[in-house]
Amino acid sequence: GAVVSQHPSRVICKSGTSVKIECRSLDFQATTMFWYRQFPKQSLMLMATSNEGSKATYEQGVEKDKFLINHASLTLSTLTVTSAHPEDSSFYICSAPPGQRLRTDTQYFGPGTRLTVL
Amino acid sequence: DAKTTQPNSMESNEEEPVHLPCNHSTISGTDYIHWYRQLPSQGPEYVIHGLTSNVNNRMASLAIAEDRKSSTLILHRATLRDAAVYYCILVRGGSEKLVFGKGTKLTVNP
Repeated sequence: GAVVSQHPSRVICKSGTSVKIECRSLDFQATTMFWYRQFPKQSLMLMATSNEGSKATYEQGVEKDKFLINHASLTLSTLTVTSAHPEDSSFYICSAPPGQRLRTDTQYFGPGTRLTVL
Repeated sequence: DAKTTQPNSMESNEEEPVHLPCNHSTISGTDYIHWYRQLPSQGPEYVIHGLTSNVNNRMASLAIAEDRKSSTLILHRATLRDAAVYYCILVRGGSEKLVFGKGTKLTVNP
């Protein structure tokens, strides 16, 4: 089946540094990918829609200058958390719909990236 | 986005059937009913989806009320590996966006 990977799976960084998280679709092309954030014991919150070859679309209340999204190819989207602070510590998850080629309406999720900012 | 309502938590015993309810009284005619589940410390996983008719796959069954204002996810024989948070999500036809609610945390007792 379709697989989505994320790298790294876990990252610890100092306050003020930037962290890049990669999301890859391994066996299908994804013109659209989605980024979510999940705090402990809470549900997933959609942050933004990553569009291949164009600007990302951010959900209300998400700072686009803080969470930079680049979707440079049909199999890779990156989320960069700039000047990270402890309140940015969270579980970041990406997803991708395989779309028409695989004849499915489902989405495939990455395994998530645990970010801890000290 | 149309809203769904699910119980916060449910418990089941291993090898027994589990019925997870979802209310979606404001569902529109083009909304599909999707179910995903999330095991601890993992990304969500697709379970099943449907529009009007009941659906079966290797993981579960989806029973949709005739008026479509509610649905039930059925796990025929719960295993310990089915312990997860189950999310019922309405997805507008043609849309790829998933908006997660709080879901139901399923505990499976041995």
